Parts: sequence; structure tokens; C-alpha cells
Amino acid sequence: EVQLVESGGGLVKPGGSLRLSCAASGFTFTTYSMTWVRQAPGKGLEWVSSISSSSTYIYYTDSVKGRFTISRDNAKNSLFLQMNSLRAEDTAVYYCTRVTYDSSDVQKYYFDYWGQGTLVTVSS
Amino acid sequence: EIVLTQSPATLSLSPGERATLSCRASQSVSSSLAWYQHKPGQAPRLLIYDASNRATGIPARFSGSGSGTDFTLTISSLEPEDFAVYYCQQRSNWPPLTFGGGTKVEIK
Repeated sequence: EVQLVESGGGLVKPGGSLRLSCAASGFTFTTYSMTWVRQAPGKGLEWVSSISSSSTYIYYTDSVKGRFTISRDNAKNSLFLQMNSLRAEDTAVYYCTRVTYDSSDVQKYYFDYWGQGTLVTVSS
Repeated sequence: EIVLTQSPATLSLSPGERATLSCRASQSVSSSLAWYQHKPGQAPRLLIYDASNRATGIPARFSGSGSGTDFTLTISSLEPEDFAVYYCQQRSNWPPLTFGGGTKVEIK
């Protein structure tokens, strides 16, 4: 059974830092790209960052570039999001997601498994 | 950036009725569009990918159609567990990957 379990959320002051983790199990982590998606209170889903299976390709939404860093440890089946210079608008539930492959084993940037999310609150 | 506009924002229907949700893209995304279901306190669930392909384990009452800029998610007969928020997402031209603002399907 595929499982994605996030941790590391909490309350932090503006300008502070947090490191989110996602523990993956039930699939061959090393062959999948991974992505962080967030949802601010009362808002919709927002793509944050993606990383390819071997960390060769990394992408960020503009609002977090230079502040957030995505990384992974394939030996430990783990995904991370280092968040620095946090702002009130970063307050959200952060979901760890797996990028899907279609029936022909072509990678497609849709998200077929999601964790339960971890809440990040940025407030003084 | 491709903007996805979903309509209506809220759909009030009764169990057994047909639900038709719309997603319009600001430019063509070909068939590179997915639909998700999201219930409060739960992880979102992938329903449809590449506009019309059901994801693994998704019931046949869910169907997707469209290409280019106009897409539709249809739930043929609403079950009690289908009342949720639905999002579309494109992967045609990214970064950024973008989601629509969501349609809430509520019980009338």
C-alpha cells in the first residue's frame, strides 16, 4: 500500500524557517518524481515545487523561489521542503504527492497519491 | 501561466442527480488535464487524467471530456459520498502547474 506521511509543520513567526519531511512507503521511491502542493485556509490547491526521481530537475512556483528548497533522500525514501523567510501567505496545509505514470509508463505530472498534509502557520 | 477557471463555484444537487462541472483554460492545454476530488480533512483523490481517462479504482459514474480549452467532469448519478470539492489541473505548459479554483458540489 502506497503511503505518504508528512511531518514538520507547526507555528512559526514571519521570517522564520521550517523543514517539512515526507516519508514514502509501498512503492519504489527512486523511480518517481515527487511534488509539494499546498492549500491555504479557505483557498484552493496550489502547486509549490517538484523534483525528479534523481533530483536532476527541480521546479518552483515563483512565490517561493529563493526561499524554499526541495530535496530528497532516495536511500531513506524521503522528500523534504526547507522553507526559509516564511511569510503569512505561506500559511497552508502542505501535501506531499507522487507524480503519476500512465498505462504506457509515461510520466505525467498529475498526482496519484497524496499524504494527509501538515499544517504550517506563519504568524507573530 | 495557464489560468484554469472552474464553474459554477457551487453546485447544489440531490443524490441521484447528474452533476456537470466545467473547467476552462486560458489557452489550449490539449488533453493534458486532470480532475481531483477533495473532501474536508482528507487527501485529494485523482479521478480523471488526460481529460478522459479514469484513474485506478474510480467508479464509472465519473467521466471526463473535452480538449483544448473546455473540459467537463460529469458525475452521472450522485452518491452521498460524492459531495465534495472538485479541482481541475493542467500539465500542458509548466512550470507552473496550475489548478482551477474548485467547484463545491453540495447537497440540496
